[in-house]
Amino acid sequence: AQKITQTQPGMFVQEKEAVTLDCTYDTSDPSYGLFWYKQPSSGEMIFLIYQGSYDQQNATEGRYSLNFQKARKSANLVISASQLGDSAMYFCAMREGAGTASKLTFGTGTRLQVTL
Amino acid sequence: DTGVSQDPRHKITKRGQNVTFRCDPISEHNRLYWYRQTLGQGPEFLTYFQNEAQLEKSRLLSDRFSAERPKGSFSTLEIQRTEQGDSAMYLCASSLGTPGFSTDTQYFGPGTRLTVL
Repeated sequence: AQKITQTQPGMFVQEKEAVTLDCTYDTSDPSYGLFWYKQPSSGEMIFLIYQGSYDQQNATEGRYSLNFQKARKSANLVISASQLGDSAMYFCAMREGAGTASKLTFGTGTRLQVTL
Repeated sequence: DTGVSQDPRHKITKRGQNVTFRCDPISEHNRLYWYRQTLGQGPEFLTYFQNEAQLEKSRLLSDRFSAERPKGSFSTLEIQRTEQGDSAMYLCASSLGTPGFSTDTQYFGPGTRLTVL
């Protein structure tokens, strides 16, 4: 089974509108972290936001917020007031376990295109 | 610039040749990771180091691949006898590795794009 599922290969949004990028995950570990990264065409992965499994509140970072629904195992990224520079690939990732845990497991990504 | 750096950014080689990539992590970070990303996919974990110790290797890391981090600072990833299937973006990331701190965000470099002809 896929550990991270991103069902939207591509999304379009108009400038200044909000957009939600979906991510569902699968783990039996009670301690895990969920990450969203942005990858522009240049290739570098840019960290956006983090949500821990024990965090009581949804994470927010500027225009980015994470809609964390633990029972549904979903961690959707919400981008408010989209900008042309938000056009990129977006990846959801998970790290299982705490402390010395290491690797990130990524989804297949969603390509977001912001239009005028 | 104090981010993660990788060299070279692009490498074109012929099948059967050896290649080596370098990664310089953020200076205070003691964990260093290598990932591989093929077209249309998310990055896949290859291996990671805590200081100079290589603590985990993926099954993706065949015998032709070797990674080192001799002094706990920069790391190298070598691929011997390259194959066309090795063509990919090789990403390096680093993190603080603070014990017991679950966030431990990984920060990525710009990647090395390998093309095997």
